[in-house]
Amino acid sequence: GQQVMQIPQYQHVQEGEDFTTYCNSSTTLSNIQWYKQRPGGHPVFLIQLVKSGEVKKQKRLTFQFGEAKKNSSLHITATQTTDVGTYFCAGPHNNNDMRFGAGTRLTVKP
Amino acid sequence: GAVVSQHPSRVICKSGTSVKIECRSLDFQATTMFWYRQFPKQSLMLMATSNEGSKATYEQGVEKDKFLINHASLTLSTLTVTSAHPEDSSFYICSARTGRNYGYTFGSGTRLTVV
Repeated sequence: GQQVMQIPQYQHVQEGEDFTTYCNSSTTLSNIQWYKQRPGGHPVFLIQLVKSGEVKKQKRLTFQFGEAKKNSSLHITATQTTDVGTYFCAGPHNNNDMRFGAGTRLTVKP
Repeated sequence: GAVVSQHPSRVICKSGTSVKIECRSLDFQATTMFWYRQFPKQSLMLMATSNEGSKATYEQGVEKDKFLINHASLTLSTLTVTSAHPEDSSFYICSARTGRNYGYTFGSGTRLTVV
């Protein structure tokens, strides 16, 4: 079945450095979603990308959807300690459910 | 915004007993809810799709007789872990879709420890 591959698995940065996580699918995705899970918490929906080549921004977070709709990235500019957590991408599997990438665990050193 | 309320947040049970986890959609109707399992430092693995008024759809490798799902109303889905064993210890999370462009809303999760 369709799988969403996500890299890197871990990323440790110094506060103020940038961070990027990437997702790739072997098949074209109708949409891709991004979630953030804080340590000990549950996933929280960040954004959904639908259009080819789409770029959306949320403050220091920039989300991109590839032209072929097979890859996506989340970029955080000038990380802060509040950015700590695991970032998941998720792609549609069947009509209703989503399959999650493995996640990228971000730690930020103050 | 849409809220999915999940209870209990933590439960410790003895091996061989059953545990029921509830998920309620508080301000919307969820004809479909999803149940995930997450082991430490791992991703969310879909266990089953819960459909209101009908049988749940289980993912390959998930024992339907062990993980009983009931979705009797548009706002409540339950997952019962029957005859729990230590290897069932995990973080169980439910989710529901609240709208086409709003992603999935997750419950707060239930951390199950079987001793």
